[in-house]
Amino acid sequence: KAGVTQTPRYLIKTRGQQVTLSCSPISGHRSVSWYQQTPGQGLQFLFEYFSETQRNKGNFPGRFSGRQFSNSRSEMNVSTLELGDSALYLCASSWTGAAYEQYFGPGTRLTVT
Amino acid sequence: DQQVKQNSPSLSVQEGRISILNCDYTNSMFDYFLWYKKYPAEGPTFLISISSIKDKNEDGRFTVFLNKSAKHLSLHIVPSQPGDSAVYFCAARVSNSGYALNFGKGTSLLVTP
Repeated sequence: KAGVTQTPRYLIKTRGQQVTLSCSPISGHRSVSWYQQTPGQGLQFLFEYFSETQRNKGNFPGRFSGRQFSNSRSEMNVSTLELGDSALYLCASSWTGAAYEQYFGPGTRLTVT
Repeated sequence: DQQVKQNSPSLSVQEGRISILNCDYTNSMFDYFLWYKKYPAEGPTFLISISSIKDKNEDGRFTVFLNKSAKHLSLHIVPSQPGDSAVYFCAARVSNSGYALNFGKGTSLLVTP
């Protein structure tokens, strides 16, 4: 089975712009979660989607949003980018029978200048 | 606030010896604990998990121990191999929170020949 894929792998944006990141989960996985990884804060949970519905949300401002499509693919959007949004954004997928283990993609490295 | 803490940023162990990685948590509502390994430029890879109703789980060279009264868990790797050199993350799930995981900041393990 193909793993979790994320596009693009690297992105450079300017403050104030918006960005959309994409994630394709492992085939058959219906849950997709997003995490932000920074050197200071580590891995922080952004949100989780299951069957096109946001099931959980982390403590991030409303500038961070996401959605999931009927094929389980997911996108996350960050509007009005700030320098502090520079991070590695990781997507993870899960299947409902798992003991909450998640399978991560390689991440998208976002740099905001 | 950081609910999952890995207080040792780094650990160095000789090949063949035991590696012990530690994790402390503060939230009594965590019902599942997981360990992930991360190599540079890759997403985290699931290693092993344990339910809060158990105190030990083994998978090959990896064993996780959970001490609920002390709110402490540890990952033992025996014997350690150079390929185990990576950053190890401890993660925990709050009961009834889907797949939202709280991560520690990681411990960098170096296994020397």
